[in-house]
Amino acid sequence: AQRVTQPEKLLSVFKGAPVELKCNYSYSGSPELFWYVQYSRQRLQLLLRHISRESIKGFTADLNKGETSFHLKKPFAQEEDSAMYYCALKPLSGTYKYIFGTGTRLKVLA
Amino acid sequence: NAGVTQTPKFQVLKTGQSMTLQCAQDMNHEYMSWYRQDPGMGLRLIHYSVGAGITDQGEVPNGYNVSRSTTEDFPLRLLSAAPSQTSVYFCASSYSGGGGGRGAFFGQGTRLTVV
Repeated sequence: AQRVTQPEKLLSVFKGAPVELKCNYSYSGSPELFWYVQYSRQRLQLLLRHISRESIKGFTADLNKGETSFHLKKPFAQEEDSAMYYCALKPLSGTYKYIFGTGTRLKVLA
Repeated sequence: NAGVTQTPKFQVLKTGQSMTLQCAQDMNHEYMSWYRQDPGMGLRLIHYSVGAGITDQGEVPNGYNVSRSTTEDFPLRLLSAAPSQTSVYFCASSYSGGGGGRGAFFGQGTRLTVV
């Protein structure tokens, strides 16, 4: 079954501390992986995607096919990073459906 | 550069009433979808469409109808509202291509309360 698992509902860290939001997926083929961010009462926005291997707002994520993980990392958290983060999977071909995890709320404490 | 536009932003319905949530995109995306967002459950796919005239059910389709008469519009109809449909609804659109896709673009959401 296709599934995206985000084991942490809430992650609290202090400003300046490293952050890692976990994402594990279950998919038999080759997926595209994404991280979306939702700031308070706003729409979801694409944060980054594994194919582009980019760093956005200091966040990076590496696809580990062996561990089927796509964890989101930032070395030094900022208060403005406080938001809801969703990991999502889309098969590379055959379907356009996105599968979302249940989300992790990140709180960065002053 | 409107992107994905949803209306209304807020709505209160009485049980049994019907309504339509509107969604429009101006990016010529083939793929459009509706999600509901509930605490602790993430985003769950209600219905989706891969092009005009083509729709299919997602994970939680009961109580909802959709149609796709044009590429731009993808309305979601609640047939007979129930309190269990109290949620935040998001419309999304994306390119159909795989490999290097730019991800899905989301509307601003509709906060629906059914009393």
